[in-house]
Amino acid sequence: KQEVTQIPAALSVPEGENLVLNCSFTDSAIYNLQWFRQDPGKGLTSLLLIQSSQREQTSGRLNASLDKSSGRSTLYIAASQPGDSATYLCAVSNDYKLSFGAGTTVTVRA
Amino acid sequence: GAVVSQHPSRVICKSGTSVKIECRSLDFQATTMFWYRQFPKQSLMLMATSNEGSKATYEQGVEKDKFLINHASLTLSTLTVTSAHPEDSSFYICSARTGGNQPQHFGDGTRLSIL
Repeated sequence: KQEVTQIPAALSVPEGENLVLNCSFTDSAIYNLQWFRQDPGKGLTSLLLIQSSQREQTSGRLNASLDKSSGRSTLYIAASQPGDSATYLCAVSNDYKLSFGAGTTVTVRA
Repeated sequence: GAVVSQHPSRVICKSGTSVKIECRSLDFQATTMFWYRQFPKQSLMLMATSNEGSKATYEQGVEKDKFLINHASLTLSTLTVTSAHPEDSSFYICSARTGGNQPQHFGDGTRLSIL
């Protein structure tokens, strides 16, 4: 069974600082990995999707890396803003199903 | 594109009531839809997978008779929580995809509160 772990569980930084969020998974036979954003009481917004054959994906201030062999992914958010405050979820795809981590709750202080 | 609409967004009802939640793909045909449950500060847990026109596949530990899933068309799946009790209170989220290993697109979730 795939286990997905996200560290840290919570993170508070001053505005402008770069954010580094970590995700690890136990079964490296994945199809892809996704990073999502979830605002309180809301659904999920997809941020980045990395296919198993890729090493990284970038979108604006966001960059996600994938090291499938070691079972790790890192999400970098550059020059954080208060609007980046949310919970960030990592999910890996095995057998056409998604397994989610518990998330990292980020607070960016103005 | 790839919009999934979930309704209602919030339900408050008495214990013993049955509650139906709808999940619609608005601009694509969803051969597969998924239902998740999320407790506060916890991860999303997959409850069941439904393919259009066939019976849903439930994850281990999920009661089939408690959580009825219907996927009658390529754009609509419903989750009915039968005879709901306070322990069923949770955040329920659906997702949909066109097929294969395509990305899942998520609804905004339904907050269910059973008094």
